[in-house]
Amino acid sequence: DAKTTQPPSMDCAEGRAANLPCNHSTISGNEYVYWYRQIHSQGPQYIIHGLKNNETNEMASLIITEDRKSSTLILPHATLRDTAVYYCIVRPANAGGTSYGKLTFGQGTILTVHP
Amino acid sequence: GEEVAQTPKHLVRGEGQKAKLYCAPIKGHSYVFWYQQVLKNEFKFLISFQNENVFDETGMPKERFSAKCLPNSPCSLEIQATKLEDSAVYFCASSQSIRAYTFGSGTRLTVV
Repeated sequence: DAKTTQPPSMDCAEGRAANLPCNHSTISGNEYVYWYRQIHSQGPQYIIHGLKNNETNEMASLIITEDRKSSTLILPHATLRDTAVYYCIVRPANAGGTSYGKLTFGQGTILTVHP
Repeated sequence: GEEVAQTPKHLVRGEGQKAKLYCAPIKGHSYVFWYQQVLKNEFKFLISFQNENVFDETGMPKERFSAKCLPNSPCSLEIQATKLEDSAVYFCASSQSIRAYTFGSGTRLTVV
């Protein structure tokens, strides 16, 4: 799996957009970018994923650069409950082997949303 | 139900004792994954199943760890002769199509 690099921590004011960057310069053409978060000690929660195009769902938006070497997760209006560790993960899109499906977590970004 | 149920929530074992953790995946999900989180932010993949078949076990310390997913039963992760370094939170996740996993809330194992 491609390695990802994220800043260790970020702050955001409540109500503002939180933009979390991720570098994945060695990503290959068949790998998706996934974002998960872990709030306190709960199980990781799926947020969003994408391959090439930008994606949006009820939780967040994912912006992937044209060369696919980096991406940004955007929480449009951060709330205190969005304080969590955010993980950017790349993984194969195809069932080409048993590594398909496995998530390789990095260190993540600790996002703190303050009042 | 729409959640992955892990039991027990907390488990304390003396060094050398056996520990058994359970995971009931979401009904209809054919993939099950086990992860170990030792320190904050450090996840280690252990094993995955496709239905009752082992899919990927490259992360399993085979000497003491074993896992099963049998039909009509919760999946299980068993650690024989626990060691202090096995203290961790063990997360189970299930998935229908290897896209978005749903994780359980974890079992915190403390070996004393």
